[in-house]
Amino acid sequence: EADIYQTPRYLVIGTGKKITLECSQTMGHDKMYWYQQDPGMELHLIHYSYGVNSTEKGDLSSESTVSRIRTEHFPLTLESARPSHTSQYLCASSDRGTGRPQHFGDGTRLSIL
Amino acid sequence: RKEVEQDPGPFNVPEGATVAFNCTYSNSASQSFFWYRQDCRKEPKLLMSVYSSGNEDGRFTAQLNRASQYISLLIRDSKLSDSATYLCVVNRKDTGNQFYFGTGTSLTVIP
Repeated sequence: EADIYQTPRYLVIGTGKKITLECSQTMGHDKMYWYQQDPGMELHLIHYSYGVNSTEKGDLSSESTVSRIRTEHFPLTLESARPSHTSQYLCASSDRGTGRPQHFGDGTRLSIL
Repeated sequence: RKEVEQDPGPFNVPEGATVAFNCTYSNSASQSFFWYRQDCRKEPKLLMSVYSSGNEDGRFTAQLNRASQYISLLIRDSKLSDSATYLCVVNRKDTGNQFYFGTGTSLTVIP
C-alpha cells in the first residue's frame, strides 16, 4: 500500500471560507500532483510539483493555489470557496525515473454550500 | 485530439466471462503505460504497469503495441469484484514525465 494521506476525507463548508486540503506522503517522492474529479467524470490535473519550491499549474484552470515547502507535504488552498469548487480532490505522488507509477491518496470530498 | 482515448463502455458481462479493454494514445513520445482501477467514489489504484513484451498478473494480461500506439487489458474469468472503472494511463518524458489519463471504461460483472 502506498503511504500517501489526505485530510480531511470529507468537508462541508460555507461559501467564502478559506480552505486548505492537506496531502502528505512518506515515500520520499519528488513529484506530487493534485487532481479534481467530479462523479463519473475524468480526472483533471490542477497542480503539480517536481520538488521543493517547484509548483506548476495543470491543464484545468483552478482558483486554488499550492505550496511545496517540504518534500512530503503538498497542501492545496482555496482562498474563498464557492459552490463551483464542489468536487473530489485527489492527491498523488510518484518517484523520479522512467516507468514509476502514481500513487493516490484517498481523496477529499468537498462540498461548498 | 485527446492524449489517451478509451471506449467508455459500459461493459456488462456475466461472471466467468473474458473481457478486453482497448486504449489508444496520440503521442509517440509516450514511454510508460499503466492500467488503474477506480471504484465508485474512490481513488484510482494501480492495477498493473504495461511492458513492451506484454505482461500478466493472475487473471489480468496487458499488451502494448508501440507501432499502433495501442494498449489493451484482458480480464479472464471475470469476478463480481472486478466491477469498476478501468483507467488507461500514459506517461510522457517530453512533458516532464506528465501522466495522461483516459476517461475510463466502466465494467459491471453480472451474477
